[in-house]
Amino acid sequence: AQSVTQLDSQVPVFEEAPVELRCNYSSSVSVYLFWYVQYPNQGLQLLLKYLSGSTLVKGINGFEAEFNKSQTSFHLRKPSVHISDTAEYFCAVSEGNSGGYQKVTFGTGTKLQVIP
Amino acid sequence: DTGVSQDPRHKITKRGQNVTFRCDPISEHNRLYWYRQTLGQGPEFLTYFQNEAQLEKSRLLSDRFSAERPKGSFSTLEIQRTEQGDSAMYLCASSADSNPQHFGDGTRLSIL
Repeated sequence: AQSVTQLDSQVPVFEEAPVELRCNYSSSVSVYLFWYVQYPNQGLQLLLKYLSGSTLVKGINGFEAEFNKSQTSFHLRKPSVHISDTAEYFCAVSEGNSGGYQKVTFGTGTKLQVIP
Repeated sequence: DTGVSQDPRHKITKRGQNVTFRCDPISEHNRLYWYRQTLGQGPEFLTYFQNEAQLEKSRLLSDRFSAERPKGSFSTLEIQRTEQGDSAMYLCASSADSNPQHFGDGTRLSIL
């Protein structure tokens, strides 16, 4: 069975400072990895995804993530955060089979609070 | 692309009542998913449709829950005899085949 661990439930950071949100996963097969962002009272918006190829993935809003197979990690980074980045971020994993249904398992989320 | 639409956005009901939520996926998406999200948690998978066929259901989906997607377009999620523990955000998502899922803004259910 696959699982996702987001160790940090809350991350405060000053505006324009860099940030890293940590994500570790567990799976017995190859995986697809995702980061989603959720603003208050809204659904989840896809930030970026890793399916295959380059381990450094760039997403929207200046975010990027690096897939590290040996450490089973997929940490999210941004070099300079903005107030508007304040939101909850979810890491998610699905099995990397082709076609068919892919169950997506989400982490418990990390609340990013950007301090002015 | 008008996005995934969910209705209503908020539902308040008394314990024991039945409720029904609607989800309209992105029009060309053949896959539709329902999730439940409680406070402080990530979304938990409930069920999945490919076109009109319900192909997988979570153990979380007790016999009080039923979901349909009659014509392979919109879907409904019904909860019968609601309980306090059903209070949550119910999220719908859709995808085109194995592509990443696009989420709606959810229906927040509050049980009095």
